[in-house]
Amino acid sequence: DAGVIQSPRHEVTEMGQEVTLRCKPISGHDYLFWYRQTMMRGLELLIYFNNNVPIDDSGMPEDRFSAKMPNASFSTLKIQPSEPRDSAVYFCASSVVLSWANEKLFFGSGTQLSVL
Amino acid sequence: GDSVTQMEGPVTLSEEAFLTINCTYTATGYPSLFWYVQYPGEGLQLLLKATKADDKGSNKGFEATYRKETTSFHLEKGSVQVSDSAVYFCASGGSEKLVFGKGTKLTVNP
Repeated sequence: DAGVIQSPRHEVTEMGQEVTLRCKPISGHDYLFWYRQTMMRGLELLIYFNNNVPIDDSGMPEDRFSAKMPNASFSTLKIQPSEPRDSAVYFCASSVVLSWANEKLFFGSGTQLSVL
Repeated sequence: GDSVTQMEGPVTLSEEAFLTINCTYTATGYPSLFWYVQYPGEGLQLLLKATKADDKGSNKGFEATYRKETTSFHLEKGSVQVSDSAVYFCASGGSEKLVFGKGTKLTVNP
């Protein structure tokens, strides 16, 4: 299995531009998560999906952020318009079931986003 | 809400040194506890876990014991290797979400 695949690995953009991050979860995993990692706040859960349906988006920082999962093998996280404070590493993760107490999450390699 | 606090890094050790990375948690109820590791350029991967008090998780020479009385889950390894250089994350998994600490960067020099 190729694991969770994210693209691009690095993204540099200017303030105000739209940014789209992509994720392909592991086949057969029903849950998909988007995390953001910063020095100040560590690893934060932004949103997660079950069977392509958003379940909890309470971590999405503001309306500039949106996430979709049109099918079981693809998800996007979009920032429009982007701001310098959005600069971070964005991780996608997937799991077979949801059991926060037991389940192992499989993470992608992340997208390093820099907004100038 | 639930939270995890781990020692700030970076931590720099020589090969074969003893490693301890402290982690404490606050949670309602009795969460499961995890250590994830992030090698350079890669995503996080599960290193070990413990699901109840006094359980010891272990993997690749690393160990951590779930201490309910001190709400701690410290990571230890008796003899680190250069290949252990990575960022280590402590996490707490309860009924509502998985909460991560901010991570501790470990560098092991030959």
